[in-house]
Amino acid sequence: GAGVSQSPSNKVTEKGKDVELRCDPISGHTALYWYRQSLGQGLEFLIYFQGNSAPDKSGLPSDRFSAERTGGSVSTLTIQRTQQEDSAVYLCASSSRDRGAYEQYFGPGTRLTVT
Amino acid sequence: SQQGEEDPQALSIQEGENATMNCSYKTSINNLQWYRQNSGRGLVHLILIRSNEREKHSGRLRVTLDTSKKSSSLLITASRAADTASYFCATASGGSYIPTFGRGTSLIVHP
Repeated sequence: GAGVSQSPSNKVTEKGKDVELRCDPISGHTALYWYRQSLGQGLEFLIYFQGNSAPDKSGLPSDRFSAERTGGSVSTLTIQRTQQEDSAVYLCASSSRDRGAYEQYFGPGTRLTVT
Repeated sequence: SQQGEEDPQALSIQEGENATMNCSYKTSINNLQWYRQNSGRGLVHLILIRSNEREKHSGRLRVTLDTSKKSSSLLITASRAADTASYFCATASGGSYIPTFGRGTSLIVHP
């Protein structure tokens, strides 16, 4: 079946503009994660959705960042008034939160460049 | 802050040699996972080892876990050029379903 998809694959934007990044998780996966990865760094957790529960937003770096997940499926990460330090690869992952099933399936990421 | 830290940061070997990467973590975990990342894009899950397990195998991969030392190792035997990638460990603690990733080990396998 289809894996996790993300769009766009690359996005170049001017400082101060808003951007929207999209993630389509694997069908049936109830958990969805957003991460950010700067060059040569590990993954920085941003936000976690699980079913109809309130999302865990503890990783969002500022109030310029927000995310929503509609109908328990597609998710959109929005960055308002982008800054140069927002430049990174944004990765989305989904998982089936069965008992003990922590394995995450990642999308190819969106490379965001803020000029 | 990083829970898991991989060591070494970079590793360069010849095809056919074995590659060993280590991961150390700070707090008690439920499980530890290893992922591979090619070319700075999506990560691919390799193997998950639970806190009550000591060793797991998958093909040419062997993972060990020593909870007393709070460390894990990933061994890739008979490496191939296609194994060139970054390798990350991720840990899950308590009731959290949010794995915490380290900064990764960059492995280069020369043909």
